Amino acid sequence: AQTVTQSQPEMSVQEAETVTLSCTYDTSENNYYLFWYKQPPSRQMILVIRQEAYKQQNATENRFSVNFQKAAKSFSLKISDSQLGDTAMYFCAFMKHRTGNQFYFGTGTSLTVIP
Amino acid sequence: EAGVTQFPSHSVIEKGQTVTLRCDPISGHDNLYWYRRVMGKEIKFLLHFVKESKQDESGMPNNRFLAERTGGTYSTLKVQPAELEDSGVYFCASSLGLAGTYEQYFGPGTRLTVT
Repeated sequence: AQTVTQSQPEMSVQEAETVTLSCTYDTSENNYYLFWYKQPPSRQMILVIRQEAYKQQNATENRFSVNFQKAAKSFSLKISDSQLGDTAMYFCAFMKHRTGNQFYFGTGTSLTVIP
Repeated sequence: EAGVTQFPSHSVIEKGQTVTLRCDPISGHDNLYWYRRVMGKEIKFLLHFVKESKQDESGMPNNRFLAERTGGTYSTLKVQPAELEDSGVYFCASSLGLAGTYEQYFGPGTRLTVT
């Protein structure tokens, strides 16, 4: 079975600062995908960033980057130059390497960016 | 392009009543997923449609839940009779299902409150 753990229920960061959200997972799979989704207040979840487990290079998307440590089964999200619009619930998710598979989600981290 | 839409956005019903949730996926997306988040817990997979067929319904909690996707377009999720523990946010997601595509697009969710 796959499990995803987000140990930080709530976090806050000053605008323009950097924050890191942690995520660990447990799986016996060798090929899989990891995702960070963001759900702003009263809005739908959108994909922030995706990492393929077979790639050693950490994924980056503008101000968002991940630190993927496959051996440690860790997948943290770093948000640089935090903006007010980054205030949201962030979910870490795991998917087995097969098209059409389901997500396994963590419990989420509520991030507040303080002006 | 319209995103995934869900109706209603919020439903409050009494224990023992019936509720039907609706999801309209992105046009052309063969894969449709239902997920549920109970307050403070992780988002859990309920089931997966490929067109009108149930590909995986391993996450359905019990036989009080019935999902359909007639014609392979929109889907409904009926809860009958509703129990208190069914309260939560029900998310729908869709994806293209082409080989190598893994992103799922989520709807805003339906918040179900059973009193």
